[in-house]
Amino acid sequence: TQLLEQSPQFLSIQEGENLTVYCNSSSVFSSLQWYRQEPGEGPVLLVTVVTGGEVKKLKRLTFQFGDARKDSSLHITAAQPGDTGLYLCAGGRQAGTALIFGKGTTLSVSS
Amino acid sequence: ETGVTQSPTHLIKTRGQQVTLRCSSQSGHNTVSWYQQALGQGPQFIFQYYREEENGRGNFPPRFSGLQFPNYSSELNVNALELDDSALYLCASRQFRDYNEQFFGPGTRLTVL
Repeated sequence: TQLLEQSPQFLSIQEGENLTVYCNSSSVFSSLQWYRQEPGEGPVLLVTVVTGGEVKKLKRLTFQFGDARKDSSLHITAAQPGDTGLYLCAGGRQAGTALIFGKGTTLSVSS
Repeated sequence: ETGVTQSPTHLIKTRGQQVTLRCSSQSGHNTVSWYQQALGQGPQFIFQYYREEENGRGNFPPRFSGLQFPNYSSELNVNALELDDSALYLCASRQFRDYNEQFFGPGTRLTVL
């Protein structure tokens, strides 16, 4: 059973387009992280959200945590080829516990 | 500030062999977690070490074992390797009470033939 479902699994877009990636669960998480991973490398932390309804912005990336802390979204405005990579959401049930990862969304941005 | 480092970067073993992977945690971090990432999948939690003791374990058999040392570095040992053990093994470190924010190393790519 996949506790965190990410969609879409694959996304191929042109430079300048906007996109949204979703991360959904039936479970409540105390916090949720988004990571970006490039081939052959470890995931790099982008953001952590901890409060229901929280919105965080990181340049062209906007992250939202659902009110019930069961889901999250990542929105990228005006995508660039440098945004290409695997985007992973990960949730923590409690502080100090292991992360549960989704399967990831593979994003390809072509110029 | 030194980030998480892992060694080796790549490793090729045959079925039935044993392997040891190593991880140095980021400066100031006292907790180390190990994850297995199969091709096309998200990382799966293997176990976590805090104060040199296992502090949580995922759904992995006992042939996956680990150690944490006083300097917070860690080892992952896998005995009786199987073909399905081929994966990227990731080490992540953090402070124990942090909101699960984990900082990952570059991983060790293990291939089992």
